[in-house]
Amino acid sequence: AQSVTQPDIHITVSEGASLELRCNYSYGATPYLFWYVQSPGQGLQLLLKYFSGDTLVQGIKGFEAEFKRSQSSFNLRKPSVHWSDAAEYFCAVGASSNYKLTFGKGTLLTVNP
Amino acid sequence: DAGVIQSPRHEVTEMGQEVTLRCKPISGHDYLFWYRQTMMRGLELLIYFNNNVPIDDSGMPEDRFSAKMPNASFSTLKIQPSEPRDSAVYFCASSLPRQGARSKNIQYFGAGTRLSVL
Repeated sequence: AQSVTQPDIHITVSEGASLELRCNYSYGATPYLFWYVQSPGQGLQLLLKYFSGDTLVQGIKGFEAEFKRSQSSFNLRKPSVHWSDAAEYFCAVGASSNYKLTFGKGTLLTVNP
Repeated sequence: DAGVIQSPRHEVTEMGQEVTLRCKPISGHDYLFWYRQTMMRGLELLIYFNNNVPIDDSGMPEDRFSAKMPNASFSTLKIQPSEPRDSAVYFCASSLPRQGARSKNIQYFGAGTRLSVL
């Protein structure tokens, strides 16, 4: 069964600083990996996805993520954080065999002015 | 496109009452998913449908929970009787039509229904 670990429950950064959110997954085959963002009171919005090919994927809002098979990781990055990026971020792993997504517990991002 | 539409956005009810949550998926999507989000357990998949047929309901917590999809544009999640521990945010998501297996996993979420059972 697939699983996802997001080691950081809460991260605080200053506006303009760089950001990296960690995600580790467990899955027996090549995973399909996703990052979603959830603003307060809203649903989940897809930031980016990895299916195959280039291990560095670009997403919306200036985010990118890098798939590292050797480390079973799919960390999310942004070079300069904006106050509007404050939200909760979820990493998820999917499988072609059952179409389910398994989510991590999320990382809450606070952005200080 | 209007996106996935869920109603109501908020529901407050008393223990023992029946609760029905509604979802309209994105037109043309053939997979529909129901999730529950709590602080303790995070996002859990409850059940998902393909072409209106339930495929996997292994995440449904107990018999008090039931879900239906009478047609391609409507699904319900019912809790009867409701209990305080059912308080959570319930999300519905839908995914793209068949273009290869990979496309099935791009799930689009509704805004959720926040349920409070007193």
